[in-house]
Amino acid sequence: GAVVSQHPSRVICKSGTSVKIECRSLDFQATTMFWYRQFPKQSLMLMATSNEGSKATYEQGVEKDKFLINHASLTLSTLTVTSAHPEDSSFYICSARKNRGYSGGAYEQYFGPGTRLTVT
Amino acid sequence: GQQVMQIPQYQHVQEGEDFTTYCNSSTTLSNIQWYKQRPGGHPVFLIQLVKSGEVKKQKRLTFQFGEAKKNSSLHITATQTTDVGTYFCAGPSGGSNYKLTFGKGTLLTVNP
Repeated sequence: GAVVSQHPSRVICKSGTSVKIECRSLDFQATTMFWYRQFPKQSLMLMATSNEGSKATYEQGVEKDKFLINHASLTLSTLTVTSAHPEDSSFYICSARKNRGYSGGAYEQYFGPGTRLTVT
Repeated sequence: GQQVMQIPQYQHVQEGEDFTTYCNSSTTLSNIQWYKQRPGGHPVFLIQLVKSGEVKKQKRLTFQFGEAKKNSSLHITATQTTDVGTYFCAGPSGGSNYKLTFGKGTLLTVNP
């Protein structure tokens, strides 16, 4: 299997507060997880690559101090949106790729159900 | 940087009609992947193509990888309402970490 969970599915927060989103691979280990942002009817924009036990790699234009990523174990990565503002409202989706030794291709990504963040 | 272009952006068909979406990369790809995202859902991995000229089928879906490994297509025969969603192609971004660059997707709607 390749099940990825994400929590919470929806969150509404006030401007200036921080929100933590969890991404878990439930039935496989994932050395690498990815965090995406998706605007309505648009494609997936990669924000950062999360590597277990090391610092995340952020894409150009993504503020690492605003979007804190922690990949503390082989099955869990968290994204914290700090001091959230209305422009941070979006659909955040994580994905995970299986470690070597599992069946399937190295590039296959398995997505969580996403988190709808609304900042008021 | 690498770009992955996908056309059309939208496609509306009558149930039973065929559908094709095309994907083109600015660089040669080691592999290409296809994902489907239902409305309100998340992307789901469909298939990976690796070999030049490769053709793979999944029931009514046919996936092709171009000879030059820079383009790909997804063809659905006799669409059904369950085929509704956005189909994304994705190719490796290069470098380590196995990042993917996604196309903008093709939104398929099917009129019953």
